[in-house]
Amino acid sequence: QEYLVQSGSELKKPGASVRVSCKASGYTFTSYAINWVRQAPGQGLEWMGWINTDTGNPTYDQGFTGRFVFSLDTSASTAHLQISNLQAEDTAVYFCARRGSSVTSGAYYYYMDAWGEGTTVTVSS
Amino acid sequence: DIQMTQSPSSLSASIGDRVTITCRASQSIGISLNWYQQKPGKAPRLLFFAASRFQSGVPARFSGSGSGTDFTLTINSLQPEDFATYYCQQSYSTPRTFGQGTKLEIK
Repeated sequence: QEYLVQSGSELKKPGASVRVSCKASGYTFTSYAINWVRQAPGQGLEWMGWINTDTGNPTYDQGFTGRFVFSLDTSASTAHLQISNLQAEDTAVYFCARRGSSVTSGAYYYYMDAWGEGTTVTVSS
Repeated sequence: DIQMTQSPSSLSASIGDRVTITCRASQSIGISLNWYQQKPGKAPRLLFFAASRFQSGVPARFSGSGSGTDFTLTINSLQPEDFATYYCQQSYSTPRTFGQGTKLEIK
């Protein structure tokens, strides 16, 4: 059984930084990419980007460049999300999710088949 | 970016009802469409990938269909545990955009 366990809730002041961790178990960490998804209070899901756990290469959605950094500690099977210069609008639940894939008729289909429980980041003075 | 639009945004139904949620993509995405279920305070759960392929453990009363730009999620004989918010997501290109969600409530 695949598991992703995330770090606990964080309360930060504007301008501070935060690091969210996502520890994988039950599968080979470097065989599956990790996605990051944000959910603001009362809102829907927003895809932030993903990181290739084999190469460490990150891909960011347009709205998550600059202050957001995806990184890995492959020795600990852990992915990290760092957010710097926190703003009130960064208040949200942040999820990590494993990228599964399936091949049908030579075409690849990608999906998020295992999710962390979410980490609540609250930014308030 | 590909825009994903779900309808309705909310839906009230009774136990035992059949409900259908639709998802429309702003351009053709083949069958690169996933469905997720999310309950309050919980992480999303994958229901279907490639439009209609069951994820392990999903009850048979759920079904997914569609291709191109129009997709549907159908739930036959609603059960109490099905009341949740449902999201579609395209995996055709990055960014991997989600629909805005459909909240399914008990009537």
